[in-house]
Amino acid sequence: RKEVEQDPGPFNVPEGATVAFNCTYSNSASQSFFWYRQDCRKEPKLLMSVYSSGNEDGRFTAQLNRASQYISLLIRDSKLSDSATYLCVVYPSGTYKYIFGTGTRLKVLA
Amino acid sequence: NAGVTQTPKFQVLKTGQSMTLQCAQDMNHNSMYWYRQDPGMGLRLIYYSASEGTTDKGEVPNGYNVSRLNKREFSLRLESAAPSQTSVYFCASSEGGAGTDTQYFGPGTRLTVL
Repeated sequence: RKEVEQDPGPFNVPEGATVAFNCTYSNSASQSFFWYRQDCRKEPKLLMSVYSSGNEDGRFTAQLNRASQYISLLIRDSKLSDSATYLCVVYPSGTYKYIFGTGTRLKVLA
Repeated sequence: NAGVTQTPKFQVLKTGQSMTLQCAQDMNHNSMYWYRQDPGMGLRLIYYSASEGTTDKGEVPNGYNVSRLNKREFSLRLESAAPSQTSVYFCASSEGGAGTDTQYFGPGTRLTVL
């Protein structure tokens, strides 16, 4: 089993739609969680950190469920510019290693 | 503010050739990382440097060596390139490696080994 698993997609959604991605992780000692965004042939960039109580940044909401070991990302009112690959990242405590999922590809259609 | 820079951006090597990928950051970060990204595999950690003067192996270190030249620079060397090392290589840095820090990535080096 991979340490961090994501549905690769693609998720094809119309503009204005709401879309959600999940990510599961296997290491219960995981300490920190993040969502990164990666555009085609570009470097990953931090979208948002994920906090235990859940957090929101504009149209983006992230949730953490430690009991079930998954994190989620909800995007409301999708824009064409949201088309990208979304990477789930987990940081197990006691290491210096960030563990990346393989990413979920989102395509927002006009 | 340049952030994380990588050179070269593209490189084609023949099997058995050697090369060094350069990475520098200007954010005074303590920790630096080298990843490779292959289709369907996600980013995999090759080596990391938690702080100046230290380096450690990641998930896929075989065939690579690294040097943390100073706080700013972290290089990755391929001593004898193999086709399996064809990939996109990303360098990243973070402030302290405490796990709550944002990682900042360079633009990547696209390497093809023939």
